[in-house]
Amino acid sequence: GEDVEQSLFLSVREGDSSVINCTYTDSSSTYLYWYKQEPGAGLQLLTYIFSNMDMKQDQRLTVLLNKKDKHLSLRIADTQTGDSAIYFCAAGAGNMLTFGGGTRLMVKP
Amino acid sequence: DVKVTQSSRYLVKRTGEKVFLECVQDMDHENMFWYRQDPGLGLRLIYFSYDVKMKEKGDIPEGYSVSREKKERFSLILESASTNQTSMYLCASSADREQGETQYFGPGTRLLVL
Repeated sequence: GEDVEQSLFLSVREGDSSVINCTYTDSSSTYLYWYKQEPGAGLQLLTYIFSNMDMKQDQRLTVLLNKKDKHLSLRIADTQTGDSAIYFCAAGAGNMLTFGGGTRLMVKP
Repeated sequence: DVKVTQSSRYLVKRTGEKVFLECVQDMDHENMFWYRQDPGLGLRLIYFSYDVKMKEKGDIPEGYSVSREKKERFSLILESASTNQTSMYLCASSADREQGETQYFGPGTRLLVL
C-alpha cells in the first residue's frame, strides 16, 4: 500500500520561508494534499494539487510536485508565528487518503 | 460552509466501558471516515462508510465498530475501552466523485482511557 513520509520537525524565524517536504510511494496517487493542524484542533485543508500538475500557488503557499521522484513540498513565504502548527501531507486515489506522520513547524519571533 | 462536528472535544472513560463517539456532517456527503491520531504515527484509518448502513474496515479496525444509520451521522463505538485506545479521534467526510474528493475534518475528540 501507499506509504507517506515527512520529517518530524522544522524551525524557522518569523519572516523567513519554510519548506516542508513529503515523499510518497504510490505513483497512481491522483491527488496530493496539505493539511494544517493547530493545537487542540482538527485538520484544516490548506491546499491540494492534482498529480498532473507540477506547481500550484495560493497566496503565501506554493506546492511543488516532482512526480518522477514522488516528492511533494509546501513552501510558506514570509512565515508568521500564526503558521506554527503540524502540517500533514496526504496522498489520495479515489476516496482514500494516506497521511504522513506530520511535520511540526515552529516559528520563532 | 463545510461543517463536520464531533459530539465531544474531551472524554475520560474507564477500562471496560462502552464508548460512543458521534460525528455529524451537514454537507450531504456520501463518505465518512474515522481516524485515530497518535504522536509520530500520523492518521490511521479505523473504519469508513460510503453509504448509509455500509461500512468498510480501515487499517486498524480491531476493538472498534461503527454505525451509519443516517447519511449525516457516523458513530464510532468502542465496545470495551482499553488503555491503548487513548488517542485523538478524528472524523472526516467527503463527497463522491469519480476521481476522489477532499476530506473535511471535524475538530477531534481526545479520549483518555484510565
